[in-house]
Amino acid sequence: QVQLQESGPGLVKPPETLSLICSISGGSFSSYYWTWIRQPPGKGLEWIGYVYYSGTTSYRGDTVYNPSLKSRVTISTDTSKTHLYLKMISVTPADMGVYFCARDLGPSSRAFDLWGRGTMVTVSS
Amino acid sequence: QSALTQPASVSGSPGQSITISCTGTSSDIGNYNLVSWYQQHPDKAPKLIIYEVTKRPSGVSNRFSGSKSGNTASLTISGLQAEDEGDYYCCSYAGRNTVIFGGGTKVTAL
Repeated sequence: QVQLQESGPGLVKPPETLSLICSISGGSFSSYYWTWIRQPPGKGLEWIGYVYYSGTTSYRGDTVYNPSLKSRVTISTDTSKTHLYLKMISVTPADMGVYFCARDLGPSSRAFDLWGRGTMVTVSS
Repeated sequence: QSALTQPASVSGSPGQSITISCTGTSSDIGNYNLVSWYQQHPDKAPKLIIYEVTKRPSGVSNRFSGSKSGNTASLTISGLQAEDEGDYYCCSYAGRNTVIFGGGTKVTAL
């Protein structure tokens, strides 16, 4: 059974860089879109972006980002395909919230069927 | 990209049916049958309950159903139960490999 587990520093100072890890266990990495989604306190969900690795492209995979975050965000994986990474530069208090990694079923569905528990990120000096 | 529009709250008595609307545009909901719905309980991760407008994942109660008309998608909960209380989010493909969420609806069983 595939499981996702996010981890991160908890507290980040503005305008530093936020780095999060999602550990993926128990299943195949290929042919899914591995996604980051965030939720500010008391607010709704925001899609950040995904990385897709088909097994035939470079190990870095193909990435797509939310246009509103594209200039500050990088999503990547490691060569073992057991970890998903999120890097966000120049954070502000508006970036505070719970960050989830999730599995996107791909272009025929674009639905997120598997989620991690989330990791809370506080942005404060 | 603007968030899809959902009512802030919907309530109903146990046993009743309620419907949550999700309004987008011809660039997202109106152009693709790729709408999904998520249920979120406090301090929990969202759970997929509807995908591709009308499909239910295995294990999801058949009291949940989805539909779409034009630029608006809807989630209906039949036979409302106390355990259905929580926040519900719609999501749609928005072109160029991006997706967009609704602002969320709080469901209360009176």
